[in-house]
Amino acid sequence: QGRLEQWGAGLLKPSETLSLTCAVDGESFSGFYWSWLRQSPGKGLEWIGDITHLGSTDYNPSLKSRVIISLDTSKSQFSLRLTSLTAADTGVYYCARGRMQFYYWGQGTQVTVSS
Amino acid sequence: DIQMTQSPSSLSASVGDRVTITCQASQHIGNSLNWYQQKPGKAPKLLISDASNLEIGVPSTFSGGGSGTHFTFTISSLQADDFATYFCQQYDNLPLTFGAGTKIES
Repeated sequence: QGRLEQWGAGLLKPSETLSLTCAVDGESFSGFYWSWLRQSPGKGLEWIGDITHLGSTDYNPSLKSRVIISLDTSKSQFSLRLTSLTAADTGVYYCARGRMQFYYWGQGTQVTVSS
Repeated sequence: DIQMTQSPSSLSASVGDRVTITCQASQHIGNSLNWYQQKPGKAPKLLISDASNLEIGVPSTFSGGGSGTHFTFTISSLQADDFATYFCQQYDNLPLTFGAGTKIES
């Protein structure tokens, strides 16, 4: 079964950029969507966007101006960059496989934006 | 965006109880709806896809129904391991959106 392991800095200051990476193990990178989601007490679960193995992306319009999702197929990794952070971006960030259904998830990364 | 209104936000129940959660979509989504279970500190787990399709390995005490804009999720006999938070998610349109969750407590 596929396993997703994610990492990245968890404590950031306002205006900084969040960078997270997710490694896919035991699962073919091809043929799937690879997503980023986040969860906060205020907004609940929120889909940030996704990328296909060919590099085609879709983003949530609410975040589109600040988000870039990219992939490194040679390493079976995909990444999230979220710029111009504010306190409202605080939450747990997850990588996941899929778009219609999310079967496999990363372990989650707590991201706190605070001065 | 399609708004998913989930109710109740929390409920108190006992082992053996029948529990039903509802999810209302702000527009027609056919059967493009999933249900997830989440326990504290863990990622959500997919239980039901396509509104009523039970995922492999998920107990048959779980079921889902509905189509269009009104959906239900039922646990026919609540077990100790079922105390958790449950979410609905639509995938008919981007952006994908989730209900706010229902926390089942004892």
